[in-house]
Amino acid sequence: ELKVEQNPLFLSMQEGKNYTIYCNYSTTSDRLYWYRQDPGKSLESLFVLLSNGAVKQEGRLMASLDTKARLSTLHITAAVHDLSATYFCAVYTISNFGNEKLTFGTGTRLTIIP
Amino acid sequence: DAGVTQSPTHLIKTRGQQVTLRCSPKSGHDTVSWYQQALGQGPQFIFQYYEEEERQRGNFPDRFSGHQFPNYSSELNVNALLLGDSALYLCASSSTGQPYQPQHFGDGTRLSIL
Repeated sequence: ELKVEQNPLFLSMQEGKNYTIYCNYSTTSDRLYWYRQDPGKSLESLFVLLSNGAVKQEGRLMASLDTKARLSTLHITAAVHDLSATYFCAVYTISNFGNEKLTFGTGTRLTIIP
Repeated sequence: DAGVTQSPTHLIKTRGQQVTLRCSPKSGHDTVSWYQQALGQGPQFIFQYYEEEERQRGNFPDRFSGHQFPNYSSELNVNALLLGDSALYLCASSSTGQPYQPQHFGDGTRLSIL
């Protein structure tokens, strides 16, 4: 069974600092998604990473994928309060019968302190 | 362009009862996936529907069942409710014509079991 682990689970950081969230997964996959969830809200798509070495950037967030290491990272640069949220990675798998599935990580609750 | 819509927003039931949750996918989407998100956890995949058939299923008992209608909308039914079924139920839609695009999530139905 696929396991998707994120660390840290909780992250409290000061505005202006940099940090990285890690997403490790236990099976072969060449597609990974990052989502953001605000309290009481639904999930908002941030990045789609489709191949080994893929790197995507949007504002202060940058995501990368290393399929050989089964690792994705979400890097936060010069954090601002608006980035406070829970971040999830989700690993895409497809069965031999062509059935698709997303398996989500445990989530990282990020709090940016002024 | 309406996104994914779910109803009801909140629901309170007692143990042993049955519940039906509804989802309308984003316009142009033909595939619907359902997820259960317990408090403080990542979404857990329940099942996925395409062409009115269940295409893939997660590790959920048969008490969880679903349906997809010709207009692509979907229902999630849960029988013999248990306290542990209390969670946020999320519906996500996607398009088989755009396989690499992320799933779009609705705002969810918050189900509380007393």
